[in-house]
Amino acid sequence: IVMTQSPDSLAVSLGERATINCKSSQTVLYGSNNKNYLAWYQQKPGQPPKLLLYWASTRESGVPDRFSGSGSGTDFTLTISSLQAEDLAVYYCQQYYTTPWTFGQGTKVEIK
Amino acid sequence: QVQLQESGPGLVKPSETLSLTCTVSGDSINTYYWSWIRQPPGRALEWIGYIYYSGNTNYNPSLRSRVTMSVDTSKNQFSLNLNSVTAADTAVYYCARTKGASPFDDWGQGTLVTVSS
Repeated sequence: IVMTQSPDSLAVSLGERATINCKSSQTVLYGSNNKNYLAWYQQKPGQPPKLLLYWASTRESGVPDRFSGSGSGTDFTLTISSLQAEDLAVYYCQQYYTTPWTFGQGTKVEIK
Repeated sequence: QVQLQESGPGLVKPSETLSLTCTVSGDSINTYYWSWIRQPPGRALEWIGYIYYSGNTNYNPSLRSRVTMSVDTSKNQFSLNLNSVTAADTAVYYCARTKGASPFDDWGQGTLVTVSS
């Protein structure tokens, strides 16, 4: 499954909303449990990725509620409702519906 | 809190074998699935494959012909061998944990491996 994110980079003012899109080349919605096998990660320079959201919209423990996920099937969105300075990073979506598990190319979030 | 730590040579010659080990602490390796993921400088993440504690493996078809993974439950470690390396294999290599068809919820800090003569 090919994961395609848009945009490749995004400049947002502090306190404003940031929206990142992720599209999969085939569905990642498993019909028998109605779950989307889609995760979002945040990666800061020199650090490993950090899990933010899974099942497309469930926040990992400790992740601020300004991070939210939506979408189903093949189209997904990560929203940062009010950008903070510490949110500057590259964000990746990843499907775990089927192997090989695959990631999007990443979206870099910068300050405007 | 589980911790993962990669170790191995930072420099490998072309055509040779890249060998890395991931040591797991704070949890038993006898659960979960243990993956290797790599990231070429400035580029995206690529899943290499996973190994279960029983020894069952699942490799990315793009690398399957060159990859071998193994697990040592007595040492709480798992390992990656990638043979016939080229400059295209230069990357930060991460080990990570999943519960099967689930996200990567814990990662090592990563180790940079450079392929160069």
